[in-house]
Amino acid sequence: GQQVQQSPASLVLQEGENAELQCNFSTSLNSMQWFYQRPGGSLVSLFYNPSGTKHSGRLTSTTVIKERRSSLHISSSQTTDSGTYLCALQNYNQGKLIFGQGTKLSIKP
Amino acid sequence: EAAVTQSPRSKVAVTGGKVTLSCHQTNNHDYMYWYRQDTGHGLRLIHYSYVADSTEKGDIPDGYKASRPSQENFSLILELASLSQTAVYFCASSGDSNTEVFFGKGTRLTVV
Repeated sequence: GQQVQQSPASLVLQEGENAELQCNFSTSLNSMQWFYQRPGGSLVSLFYNPSGTKHSGRLTSTTVIKERRSSLHISSSQTTDSGTYLCALQNYNQGKLIFGQGTKLSIKP
Repeated sequence: EAAVTQSPRSKVAVTGGKVTLSCHQTNNHDYMYWYRQDTGHGLRLIHYSYVADSTEKGDIPDGYKASRPSQENFSLILELASLSQTAVYFCASSGDSNTEVFFGKGTRLTVV
């Protein structure tokens, strides 16, 4: 089965609302990395978060190892936050990332 | 900010032809990776390398070769391009196997 599952697959919000994106993994966590991608664009690293909570502006990432989950919270969403958010589990043996299928976020004005 | 540069940014290749995608990083990173992104499959690892002159197979290596002639450069080679290899290819680098991974802007490859 898929090792990294993201939910929801898509999310539509009004500008100003908060967004909560989830990532669950079925294997032991080495580290979790969150990315942002616009259609046709590159992957922008948002957080590298092995455990605990990290903040960056309106974004917060929380990884709970025991519960095998990581979340990305976006507060006071803006239309420019629209795009796809990807989480990826890092394998420490190879350094490779195992990606989830992504959450497509649409923020309406 | 870590810098990973890919070339070309887009390419159209003919079936059966040879394609070389290049990647250059200036981060002094030991690890480099090639991923492909397809609708419905997400991002998958093709090849990776953790030292110059050595490459390792990833999850989907069939039909691809890789070359790491120096720490800074990592190439992906399609000896006989096929229609199924139409995709976006991303190169990435990291300092170690347990550190943040940085991606290039991607190469859009279309095989016709």
